[in-house]
Amino acid sequence: EDQVTQSPEALRLQEGESSSLNCSYTVSGLRGLFWYRQDPGKGPEFLFTLYSAGEEKEKERLKATLTKKESFLHITAPKPEDSATYLCAVLKNQAGTALIFGKGTTLSVSS
Amino acid sequence: GAVVSQHPSWVICKSGTSVKIECRSLDFQATTMFWYRQFPKQSLMLMATSNEGSKATYEQGVEKDKFLINHASLTLSTLTVTSAHPEDSSFYICSATRETYGYTFGSGTRLTVV
Repeated sequence: EDQVTQSPEALRLQEGESSSLNCSYTVSGLRGLFWYRQDPGKGPEFLFTLYSAGEEKEKERLKATLTKKESFLHITAPKPEDSATYLCAVLKNQAGTALIFGKGTTLSVSS
Repeated sequence: GAVVSQHPSWVICKSGTSVKIECRSLDFQATTMFWYRQFPKQSLMLMATSNEGSKATYEQGVEKDKFLINHASLTLSTLTVTSAHPEDSSFYICSATRETYGYTFGSGTRLTVV
């Protein structure tokens, strides 16, 4: 069965305290792995797509990496505005299929 | 970048009435649209997949007669919650995709049935 597991469920950081979020997956035929940010009461906002093991992408204080079994979202020197829920999703290698989401990690950054 | 507009942002309706939610891709023609439902502190659960001009494919456990999906054009899909009840209260989110455009999400609709 296709599955996406994110850990931890919740993470509290002090401003400037770097950390990583984990997304492990089991899926038959991975086409891509997606990271989204979701603020309360809003739809997911696209961050990254990773397609192959070893790939890395960066955007401001965020860096996403991918292995054959998991992905990490590294947050360097976070700021309070980085507080949100971060969702990981996988896309199977089938045309027209939907993303399969994990439950998300809720990040709180305090100043 | 790709933009998906979803309306309304929130709606309150009386039990037994129907509510329609619109999802539009503003700057691209979406080959496929998806409807998700999200409960508090839970992830997005796929309800149905729709392609323009064809019937939607519903996930197991989703009542197709309660959640009517119409995908009349490449830029518009609608979700109608019929005979809504309090247990249908939730956050509904649409997503649109087209090759090379990725998966773009609407801003969501908070439905409260009283």
